[in-house]
Amino acid sequence: EDKVVQSPLSLVVHEGDTVTLNCSYEVTNFRSLLWYKQEKKAPTFLFMLTSSGIEKKSGRLSSILDKKELFSILNITATQTGDSAVYLCAVRGASGSRLTFGEGTQLTVNP
Amino acid sequence: DTEVTQTPKHLVMGMTNKKSLKCEQHMGHRAMYWYKQKAKKPPELMFVYSYEKLSINESVPSRFSPECPNSSLLNLHLHALQPEDSALYLCASSRLIGDTQYFGPGTRLTVL
Repeated sequence: EDKVVQSPLSLVVHEGDTVTLNCSYEVTNFRSLLWYKQEKKAPTFLFMLTSSGIEKKSGRLSSILDKKELFSILNITATQTGDSAVYLCAVRGASGSRLTFGEGTQLTVNP
Repeated sequence: DTEVTQTPKHLVMGMTNKKSLKCEQHMGHRAMYWYKQKAKKPPELMFVYSYEKLSINESVPSRFSPECPNSSLLNLHLHALQPEDSALYLCASSRLIGDTQYFGPGTRLTVL
């Protein structure tokens, strides 16, 4: 059974701080790992990672995958209150279409 | 148009009612999905459609009945639901199965 574990489950920081969110996984025939940001509405796609060691970057957010150690990290620099959300990590394995989600990290950025 | 839309936004129904949730996308995606999300939990996959054909049914009870009338529309028909079915129902689409999924805003369903 595919498994995704995220840590920490909850994180409270001040504006301007840098945060690192972790995602470790066990999946049969790994295909891709995705990061989503979920506020009050539906998840918003952030990154899809398929290759080890290649950093994906979008503004203050970046992510990298380590397929040998089976984990990914999501970095957010110079955090803003608008970054407050649940960050979800999901993996896709042999089944192709099925995404297995982690429990998510609840990030709160205080002014 | 890079959006997945869902209607209604909120739905309250009794256990004997029949209702439908609707999802629409005009991105030319040929894969569409229904997820169920309970409070403070990640989304759980329910159904996957590929080229308007049901590809995956994640052992969902028959009181949930999906329908894909064309490549842009996905419906979820609800009948004889239970209070524990109350949740956020999310629709998603992707270019093909295996590609990145884009989610709609969801329908908040309450079963009384």
